[in-house]
Amino acid sequence: GENVEQHPSTLSVQEGDSAVIKCTYSDSASNYFPWYKQELGKGPQLIIDIRSNVGEKKDQRIAVTLNKTAKHFSLHITETQPEDSAVYFCASFSSGSARQLTFGSGTQLTVLP
Amino acid sequence: NAGVMQNPRHLVRRRGQEARLRCSPMKGHSHVYWYRQLPEEGLKFMVYLQKENIIDESGMPKERFSAEFPKEGPSILRIQQVVRGDSAAYFCASSLGGSDEKLFFGSGTQLSVL
Repeated sequence: GENVEQHPSTLSVQEGDSAVIKCTYSDSASNYFPWYKQELGKGPQLIIDIRSNVGEKKDQRIAVTLNKTAKHFSLHITETQPEDSAVYFCASFSSGSARQLTFGSGTQLTVLP
Repeated sequence: NAGVMQNPRHLVRRRGQEARLRCSPMKGHSHVYWYRQLPEEGLKFMVYLQKENIIDESGMPKERFSAEFPKEGPSILRIQQVVRGDSAAYFCASSLGGSDEKLFFGSGTQLSVL
């Protein structure tokens, strides 16, 4: 089955700096890669996603890049703010027989004021 | 525009009791997924259902766990004879299905087994 690895597990940045979280996946049939933000006591919230026919996507301060050949994708947050502090999860969705999201282990992002 | 609704938010059970977790998908969504999250871990897939059908239950333990999504009403995740190891947050997500893979999650049910 699909295996998604996510790094780093924890990340601290100063307010205003950029944050980068990286993920790799194993299943070449995966074709959809969402990112979720989870705040304490809440459910995961979809913040951005990318499909395998696109290399990069941007939404205000958030961007995601995908290298399908290398099977890795990254989340970039620019001009970080304290409210960006949360756990971020990457995930991959396979178009094969197992139509399910497989999640990475998460990154605890702390933005220091 | 209500999102995915889960209840209860918190559920406390003693060992051996049954736990029933409910999930109402977003309006217009007919596909439901259940995930389990242990403390400081990622979300693990359990089961994927459409109305009246279990599509994929490969992530669900073979014993004590069952799920349904009836024609009318919410999806139910049922855990019989709970044990302490079942303590976790259980999240439900819904999607439109078909070629749309976007999953939207509810706020989860925190199950505590005493």
